[in-house]
Amino acid sequence: DSGVTQTPKHLITATGQRVTLRCSPRSGDLSVYWYQQSLDQGLQFLIHYYNGEERAKGNILERFSAQQFPDLHSELNLSSLELGDSALYFCASSAVPDGTQYFGPGTRLLVL
Amino acid sequence: AQKITQTQPGMFVQEKEAVTLDCTYDTSDPSYGLFWYKQPSSGEMIFLIYQGSYDQQNATEGRYSLNFQKARKSANLVISASQLGDSAMYFCAMRKAQGGSEKLVFGKGTKLTVNP
Repeated sequence: DSGVTQTPKHLITATGQRVTLRCSPRSGDLSVYWYQQSLDQGLQFLIHYYNGEERAKGNILERFSAQQFPDLHSELNLSSLELGDSALYFCASSAVPDGTQYFGPGTRLLVL
Repeated sequence: AQKITQTQPGMFVQEKEAVTLDCTYDTSDPSYGLFWYKQPSSGEMIFLIYQGSYDQQNATEGRYSLNFQKARKSANLVISASQLGDSAMYFCAMRKAQGGSEKLVFGKGTKLTVNP
């Protein structure tokens, strides 16, 4: 158990819908990262937050947004969902931006 | 651009034997970090081992060791005394600095199967 929690574990929804994925980092970790894992793209970095502030964006679509709250948990919002958004979404946390990233169990999203 | 290459899509090993999973990387940064993660069929990503570019010795963590050859830009994972539970996908990753952030760039992974 990495100490990073993600909810829900599984999510099935329809095209055009909006979903919210939630992540709680390890106790004391200020950095939260979001990654997407799909069969065709592999593991891709989406976005990084540090202590509530956005630090970097990767291959994140405009339909996707994230935030980190004062209690350090983070949410990834995915809207106008398409079939191609079906993937495993991971949250990871680290104590400092250049520290080891520990991953949560992931949220498996299926868009039908 | 920073890149991780894992050339072995799949590897097979007999239980109790050692296996080496290959990873080569490409970067022009003098300071970098290399990681290995394990992803069992259940899907979670488990951190295994870390090697910093300035570390003098190869990293070890229990049955995992990293064969770090800086001049050749390789960071191969060695698993000794393989166990059935080692069957999983293994990903090599490099930490990439990006404007105050440090994201991970992953290879495509190697699927390891341990045979009894």
